[in-house]
Amino acid sequence: EVQLVESGGDLVQPGGTLKLACVASGFTFSGYWMGWVRQAPGEGLEWVANIRQDGSDKKYVDSVKGRFTISRDNPKNSLFLQMNSLRVEDTAVYYCARDSKTKGFDFWGQGTLVTVSS
Amino acid sequence: DIQMTQSPSSLSASVGDRVIITCRASQDIGNFLAWYQQKPGKVPVLLVYAASTLQSGAPSRFSGSGSGTDFTLTISGLQPEDVATYYCQKYNSDLTFGPGTKLEIK
Repeated sequence: EVQLVESGGDLVQPGGTLKLACVASGFTFSGYWMGWVRQAPGEGLEWVANIRQDGSDKKYVDSVKGRFTISRDNPKNSLFLQMNSLRVEDTAVYYCARDSKTKGFDFWGQGTLVTVSS
Repeated sequence: DIQMTQSPSSLSASVGDRVIITCRASQDIGNFLAWYQQKPGKVPVLLVYAASTLQSGAPSRFSGSGSGTDFTLTISGLQPEDVATYYCQKYNSDLTFGPGTKLEIK
């Protein structure tokens, strides 16, 4: 059974930093692109970033470029999102998701809440 | 950047109705189009991929069609458990979602 479990969400002040983690199980983690999707309170889904199987290719939505960094540790079946210079508008539930290039995001974690507020 | 739009933004329909949701891409995306269902307070679930292929486990009353720039998600025989927000997403390059369509039961 595919499982994705996020952690690291917290309350942080504007300008602060936070690192999210996602541990995967039930599939060959190193065989898949992986991604992060966020959802602000009461809003729609927004793709944030995704990363190639070996970490050699990374893509970001324009609003987080230069502030967020996606990375992965394949031996530990883990995906990360380093978030710097956080803004109030980054407040959202952040989902880790498996990026099947032929299907879109076919498995999702339960999400972790990031709140940016003073 | 390719923009994704959906219509309507919300709709109300009766149990048993046929419901059609439309998604439009600002440029040709071939068939790299997925549909997701997000029930209130729940995690999104993949329903349809490659514009018209039903994801394993998705009810057969859901179907997708289209290619290029215009796509539809059809629910044939609306059920109470279909109350949700539906999102389309392109996945041929970046992974832009549409703004969503909120579906309610009359």
